[in-house]
Amino acid sequence: GAGVSQTPSNKVTEKGKYVELRCDPISGHTALYWYRQSLGQGPEFLIYFQGTGAADDSGLPNDRFFAVRPEGSVSTLKIQRTERGDSAVYLCASSAEGNSPLHFGNGTRLTVT
Amino acid sequence: KQEVTQIPAALSVPEGENLVLNCSFTDSAIYNLQWFRQDPGKGLTSLLLIQSSQREQTSGRLNASLDKSSGRSTLYIAASQPGDSATYLCAVRPSNYGQNFVFGPGTRLSVLP
Repeated sequence: GAGVSQTPSNKVTEKGKYVELRCDPISGHTALYWYRQSLGQGPEFLIYFQGTGAADDSGLPNDRFFAVRPEGSVSTLKIQRTERGDSAVYLCASSAEGNSPLHFGNGTRLTVT
Repeated sequence: KQEVTQIPAALSVPEGENLVLNCSFTDSAIYNLQWFRQDPGKGLTSLLLIQSSQREQTSGRLNASLDKSSGRSTLYIAASQPGDSATYLCAVRPSNYGQNFVFGPGTRLSVLP
């Protein structure tokens, strides 16, 4: 596609439920990043994929968060036993190899009630 | 640990003014620095990417400079327009650890007609 696509754009879930957030990167981009952004703050790094493997998952806050990219393209961020503090906008970005620019999707706004 | 700050947090200017946004980072070991624009409820749009070996990049009315040794970057916007109103974020990609981009909190710009 022309840009990074994230679905759904909005997700409301109850505390304790499981959610999946999807990211379709720009075709051919090998690097894929997940960030989380709270109101009035800059994006906070969660996880980075190079191809199919998670090259850096140091930003995942705890073991309730997990992400996959099985075929090196689409990625899914999975959150188990959601908590109200997980409410934020989850942003996905992709880039080509090397020191290329990051391209972001419009994000998924997650609200945990 | 790399930390990025942006000053001012918010800025309001009349249309037509030239303005400068500031970005500071604590560790000069970076691959590159990228400036983004974020409109309310949207993802981030890449504006300019400066590699560590470069001093500045220009795109239209935008000019970004980089002084890696002092840990500073500026984004200069010439002849501002109401359509420039948005939040501007800078991000650095460290070269000595991790693969992720570290973001500043952003500067919220309002250009008044």
